[in-house]
Amino acid sequence: EAGVTQFPSHSVIEKGQTVTLRCDPISGHDNLYWYRRVMGKEIKFLLHFVKESKQDESGMPNNRFLAERTGGTYSTLKVQPAELEDSGVYFCASSQEARRRSPLHFGNGTRLTVT
Amino acid sequence: AQKITQTQPGMFVQEKEAVTLDCTYDTSDQSYGLFWYKQPSSGEMIFLIYQGSYDEQNATEGRYSLNFQKARKSANLVISASQLGDSAMYFCAMREGWAAGNKLTFGGGTRVLVKP
Repeated sequence: EAGVTQFPSHSVIEKGQTVTLRCDPISGHDNLYWYRRVMGKEIKFLLHFVKESKQDESGMPNNRFLAERTGGTYSTLKVQPAELEDSGVYFCASSQEARRRSPLHFGNGTRLTVT
Repeated sequence: AQKITQTQPGMFVQEKEAVTLDCTYDTSDQSYGLFWYKQPSSGEMIFLIYQGSYDEQNATEGRYSLNFQKARKSANLVISASQLGDSAMYFCAMREGWAAGNKLTFGGGTRVLVKP
């Protein structure tokens, strides 16, 4: 079974540009999450999809961030326009079972650097 | 207030020795779950072990065990017989409430370096 896949692994962009991160969850996983870790701080929740619907987007920092999950399969996270403070590692995770003890399966993350 | 606190930013451990990583949490929910993840230098987040708030036994998974002290709200990870491959960041996380879709809240992590 393929794991959670994220593209690209690294991205370096200039302030003001747009970047789109992609996440392919494990096949059949309805729950998809985005997290990010900025400057060695805690890993922070951004949002949660159940299939194509946004279940919880309370962690999205501002309207420069747009997440989509068309068709309930892969997801994209767009940052437009990017700011310096958006630099960090963006993780995607997925889970299948609607059980409390179900762990999240994480991708390797996308390291975003905004210069 | 921090929901998950890991007070040890970094620590060294001698190969073959045991190491305990501290994690305290804060929640008013009676039902919650605690997770530990490992992040090696390659970057992936690897799930290690889970403890539910109603679980009567401390969780164990191979060389990993969880010292769960509910009254003290602590869920320390114990790694026995440390190996060089255990060098990594370790994150404690909590899921509150009954719905499995509830997000995980992470602590700041502890970096472990195993010395030969």
